[in-house]
Amino acid sequence: DAGVTQSPTHLIKTRGQQVTLRCSPKSGHDTVSWYQQALGQGPQFIFQYYEEEERQRGNFPDRFSGHQFPNYSSELNVNALLLGDSALYLCASSPLGRGLSYEQYFGPGTRLTVT
Amino acid sequence: QKEVEQDPGPLSVPEGAIVSLNCTYSNSAFQYFMWYRQYSRKGPELLMYTYSSGNKEDGRFTAQVDKSSKYISLFIRDSQPSDSATYLCAMRDDKIIFGKGTRLHILP
Repeated sequence: DAGVTQSPTHLIKTRGQQVTLRCSPKSGHDTVSWYQQALGQGPQFIFQYYEEEERQRGNFPDRFSGHQFPNYSSELNVNALLLGDSALYLCASSPLGRGLSYEQYFGPGTRLTVT
Repeated sequence: QKEVEQDPGPLSVPEGAIVSLNCTYSNSAFQYFMWYRQYSRKGPELLMYTYSSGNKEDGRFTAQVDKSSKYISLFIRDSQPSDSATYLCAMRDDKIIFGKGTRLHILP
C-alpha cells in the first residue's frame, strides 16, 4: 500500500513565478492538508481539502490556493513567488473526514527554492 | 509569547541514555498532544498521541502531558543511533500547531 506521495521532489523557481505542487493521499484517505515547513521550523498549516472543497485555512495569503480532485488527490498553487516561500511543502492525508487529527500521514514533501 | 515553545537543540546524548524532550504551550484549549519524528529529507512520522493529561507508553517511548503546567514531555529509553532525528511536538484544538522541533543526536 503506497503512502502519501508528492511530486516533484525538488523545484527551483524565480521570484514572481507560479508553482503547482501535487499530492496523492494514502489509499482509503479522503482528506488532504498542506503544510509549509521553513528551514529550522515546524510545519505550518496552510489549508485542508475535503470533498473537493477547502474546509479550513491557516494564516496564509490568497497567493496560496489549492484544489482537490474526485480521486482525492490535491494540488497546491502558489502565485507571485517570494523568496520567503522557499520551504519544504508537506502534504498530509487522513481518513473519513477526520481532518486535523493524529491520524494524519505525511508525505516526503516537495522542496521549493525561490531565487 | 508563541503558542508552542520547543528548544531546537541540538541535543547530543550517548547511546543507551534516557532522552527527555519537552514543549510548553500557552493555549489551554489544546486537548490532543502529539509527538512526531522527522528524519532528514523526510516528512514527519507520528510517534505518540495523548488526549488530555496523563501518561502513555509505547515500547521505549513514553509521552507525558501536564495540562496544569501546560507542559508535555517525550522520554526515550535505551536510546539508539537510529533515534537520531528531529522531534516535533504538536497540539490541537481546531487547528494543529507544531513546535519548531528538537534535533537529537545519539552518539554511538
